[in-house]
Amino acid sequence: DGGITQSPKYLFRKEGQNVTLSCEQNLNHDAMYWYRQDPGQGLRLIYYSQIVNDFQKGDIAEGYSVSREKKESFPLTVTSAQKNPTAFYLCASSTTIMGEQYFGPGTRLTVT
Amino acid sequence: AQSVSQHNHHVILSEAASLELGCNYSYGGTVNLFWYVQYPGQHLQLLLKYFSGDPLVKGIKGFEAEFIKSKFSFNLRKPSVQWSDTAEYFCAVPGSGGSYIPTFGRGTSLIVHP
Repeated sequence: DGGITQSPKYLFRKEGQNVTLSCEQNLNHDAMYWYRQDPGQGLRLIYYSQIVNDFQKGDIAEGYSVSREKKESFPLTVTSAQKNPTAFYLCASSTTIMGEQYFGPGTRLTVT
Repeated sequence: AQSVSQHNHHVILSEAASLELGCNYSYGGTVNLFWYVQYPGQHLQLLLKYFSGDPLVKGIKGFEAEFIKSKFSFNLRKPSVQWSDTAEYFCAVPGSGGSYIPTFGRGTSLIVHP
């Protein structure tokens, strides 16, 4: 089955620690995205990548970092600089940046 | 910058009622419009999309949306909702200033009572 996998589903971290969220797709899509979903705020774009070894900041990139070393993988690191990291994180991919997006199941991160 | 407005944040309906969810956006340069749905406990998934052609588009589960260019709107409709339509609905439109990354609205939470 083609799709997007995100792991883990739930993640707990102590404040001050960096944490990396995994996102893998086997849809052969060029574009990948990371969103943050908070209640009542919709999806806000953190980073996106149109092609391997290239990525761009989204609207709320501060405190986050990404890499795109392989077409299938787009991990997101939530650094200790992110002031309010507790949230639901969604990864998505699409054939092009103008196309429909396919979403993973999400990772719920709780930082205490 | 592009902005997307979903006017109804919470909608509560009884089964068989008609539904219309509003979506308005500020920048209309490129028209690839989407509605996504997030059912409880499930992935966010595409409900329907408009790229060109007939401005009335049909999606899954009896949903449709109408693109009205002059009003910068892409409202979602369903003539008769079911309990299983309980979900969160997001409108997405292309960004402005040369960015085509979809900008999402804040979402509408729909609860349908049986």
